[in-house]
Amino acid sequence: GAGVSQSPRYKVAKRGQDVALRCDPISGHVSLFWYQQALGQGPEFLTYFQNEAQLDKSGLPSDRFFAERPEGSVSTLKIQRTQQEDSAVYLCASSPREGLYEQYFGPGTRLTVT
Amino acid sequence: GENVEQHPSTLSVQEGDSAVIKCTYSDSASNYFPWYKQELGKGPQLIIDIRSNVGEKKDQRIAVTLNKTAKHFSLHITETQPEDSAVYFCAASPSLGGYNKLIFGAGTRLAVHP
Repeated sequence: GAGVSQSPRYKVAKRGQDVALRCDPISGHVSLFWYQQALGQGPEFLTYFQNEAQLDKSGLPSDRFFAERPEGSVSTLKIQRTQQEDSAVYLCASSPREGLYEQYFGPGTRLTVT
Repeated sequence: GENVEQHPSTLSVQEGDSAVIKCTYSDSASNYFPWYKQELGKGPQLIIDIRSNVGEKKDQRIAVTLNKTAKHFSLHITETQPEDSAVYFCAASPSLGGYNKLIFGAGTRLAVHP
């Protein structure tokens, strides 16, 4: 079946531009996570949604980062006024329900800020 | 908060040999420990996971062991094949009231030489 999809796969932004990254989770999955992966590092948690509710945004690095999931399916991660340190791969993962269940990752969006 | 350390950072083995990757975690409340394989340009792929009420789990050539007292867990790959070459990440999940926010190690780059 279809897995988690993310778009665009690659994004180049000039410093100061706003970007929007999209995640389509596995159909019916309740939980959705965003992670940031710097080059050569493990993913780092950004935020968590249970359906449309954003229950944890403790990992968002600054108020320039904003995420939403208005209808409980597709999610968008928005970064305003991008900075060079925002360059990373942004990964989305979904899980069938809340609790200790497997997370399935998408291919990620590689963001490069020049 | 939780901290996960992973070693070695690189591992080179001959085809057919075994590979072992070790992780330690700091939060004794963590109760879910997945392992992911990440190939170049792709998202992390779940290969095996273990929960805190189990000491060992096996799936064909892959096994994971957990020592809750010492707060460490390990991935064992037997009869390695060139297609096992990838970056492997361990993760730990503290219980946060209904969802598993994953804290990842820094990764191990495994190279299997024919």
